[in-house]
Parts: sequence; structure tokens; C-alpha cells
Amino acid sequence: EVQLVESGGGLVQPGGSLRLSCAASGFMFSSYWMSWVRQAPGKGLEWVANIKRDGSETYYVDSVKGRFTISRDNAKNSLYLQMNSLRAEDTAVYYCARERALAIWGQGTMVTVSS
Amino acid sequence: DVVMTQSPLSLPVTLGQPASISCTSSQSLVHSDGNTYLHWFQQRPGQSPRRLIYKVSNRDSGVPDRFSGSGSGTDFTLKISRVEAEDVGVYYCMHGTLWPPITFGQGTRLEIK
Repeated sequence: EVQLVESGGGLVQPGGSLRLSCAASGFMFSSYWMSWVRQAPGKGLEWVANIKRDGSETYYVDSVKGRFTISRDNAKNSLYLQMNSLRAEDTAVYYCARERALAIWGQGTMVTVSS
Repeated sequence: DVVMTQSPLSLPVTLGQPASISCTSSQSLVHSDGNTYLHWFQQRPGQSPRRLIYKVSNRDSGVPDRFSGSGSGTDFTLKISRVEAEDVGVYYCMHGTLWPPITFGQGTRLEIK
């Protein structure tokens, strides 16, 4: 079964850091682009970042550039999102998804930025 | 950035009746490779989003055939031929042609009358 399982969310103070993980199973992870998408409470979907199959290319929405870093470990079938200098507006459920076309989604992990 | 505009934002529908959601992009979504990267997603209450339709009109595996997608250029439509109770939720269009950034429509909330 194709599956994506996110972890690492939680409560963090403004200016703090958090690292999200996404464990992939049931497919050849190294063959796919991977993405992070977020959803603020009661709001719509916002694409955050993409990473190429071999990790050689990464892309970000402007609001997180310079603060977030997407990475992957193909040997561990894992995707990551390092989030630094967190702001209240980063509060959201963060989903990992397979491919740039977001064919498969995980269940999400909640990140709350608050003092 | 490509702006995706959906209408209506709220869609009350009687069970068994058809439903239609429009999505308009601020620029043509035809890619230089000839494909149009316009996709549709469903998010049921309390669940993760799920892709229904990719590249305008291709249904994902397991998606009932009452769902269909159509359109070209800048104007796209998601249709449900006969709405069922399990179709309640929010529907989003998304483009993957002129990125970054990838952008979504605002979402259309489908409810049963």
C-alpha cells in the first residue's frame, strides 16, 4: 500500500525551529518528486516546497524562502522540512505529497507557532 | 504568479442532482510540452485532500465515474453527475504549469441541501 506518514509537528514559540519528517512506503521513493503543502486552520491549501527525485533541485513559495529547507534521504525513503524563524502565520497542518501533481497525500502534522 | 479563481465558493446541492464547479486561471495553463497541468482535489471533512482528476480530465484510480473534468486554456470545470452524501467537502483546483509557485483555487464547499 502506498503511504506517506508525517511526523514532527508541535507547539513552538515565534522565532523557533522545527523539523518535519515524512516516511514513504509502498512505492519507489527515489523515482518521484516530493512536495510539502500546508493548510492554516479553516483556510485553503498552500503549496510550500518541492524537491526533485535526486534532491538536486528545490523550489519554495516566496513566504518561506530563506527560512524553510526541503530535503530528502532516498536511502531512508524519507522527506524532510526544516523550518526556522517560525512565525505565527506558519501555523498550519503540513502535508507531504508525492509528485508535483500531488497524487498521494499523507495525513498531515500540525504545527502551532505561538508564545 | 498564476491566480486560480473558483466559483461558486459555496454549492448547496440536492442528493442525486448534478453539480458543477468552475476554475479560471489568470494565464493559459497549456505547457510548452503540450500538456495542461490542471488538477482537482477533494477534501472531505476532517480528512486529508485527495486528488480526483489530473491533467484536466483524467480520473485517478478509485474515483467514481460520476466525477468528470473538462476545459482548456484558462477555463476548467469539475462536474459531478449525481451528488451522493459522501461527496460533501471542499473541492480545489490547482495548476502545475507555470511554477513556481504552484497555486490552488480558494476552494468550493459542497453541501447537501
